Amino acid sequence: GAGVSQSPSNKVTEKGKDVELRCDPISGHTALYWYRQRLGQGLEFLIYFQGNSAPDKSGLPSDRFSAERTGESVSTLTIQRTQQEDSAVYLCASSWTVYNEQFFGPGTRLTVL
Amino acid sequence: EDQVTQSPEALRLQEGESSSLNCSYTVSGLRGLFWYRQDPGKGPEFLFTLYSAGEEKEKERLKATLTKKESFLHITAPKPEDSATYLCAVLSLKGSFGAGTTVTVRA
Repeated sequence: GAGVSQSPSNKVTEKGKDVELRCDPISGHTALYWYRQRLGQGLEFLIYFQGNSAPDKSGLPSDRFSAERTGESVSTLTIQRTQQEDSAVYLCASSWTVYNEQFFGPGTRLTVL
Repeated sequence: EDQVTQSPEALRLQEGESSSLNCSYTVSGLRGLFWYRQDPGKGPEFLFTLYSAGEEKEKERLKATLTKKESFLHITAPKPEDSATYLCAVLSLKGSFGAGTTVTVRA
C-alpha cells in the first residue's frame, strides 16, 4: 500500500506570508505526528493527533503554528506570518495507534526568504 | 520527561569494520524502543521495535539489542550503502527521538 505522502515537497515563501503543509497518512493509521528538522539537526516534535484530536499542543513553537486533522486522515500544518527561522524540513509520520512504530513521509522543505 | 541520548554523534568506518551505536534512555516505564535510518533529504525509515530487555532483532547487517537502560545497534561488516544517520526513539506521545549517529562507511 501507499506510504505517507506530503505536499508540497518544496515550498519557498517570503517572510510574513502564510503557508499550508499537507500530510496524507497511511490508510487506517489513527495516530499522526508532525516534526520539524532544521538542517543538520535532530527531530523536533511539534504535535500529534489521535484520531482528529490533538490532546497536547505544547510542542508547537509559537501561536503562529496550528494544525488540524479531518476524517481521521489528511492533516494540515499551517504557519502564519512566516519567519526566516521557520525554514526547515517538516516531517509527518503516522502509526496504527500511538503505541506503534511511526512511518514517515518524505517531508516538505520550507524556505522562508 | 523522557530522555534519549545517542553516541557517538558520528562514526567513520572502513568497509567490513564492524561497530556498535549506543542509545541510552531515561523513561518512566519503557513501552517500546524504535530504531530508524535516515538518508540525506529523506524521512526516517523504520528498522526495528524492541519491547523488553534481552530482546534482539536482526535485519541484514544490522542487529538491535535492548537492556534496561540502553539499546545498541550493531553493524556487522558494513558496506558503503549502510552510510546514513541512525535514530533511536522511545515510545512516547511526544515522539522522543535521540539526535542520531551519522555513520559513514568508506569503501
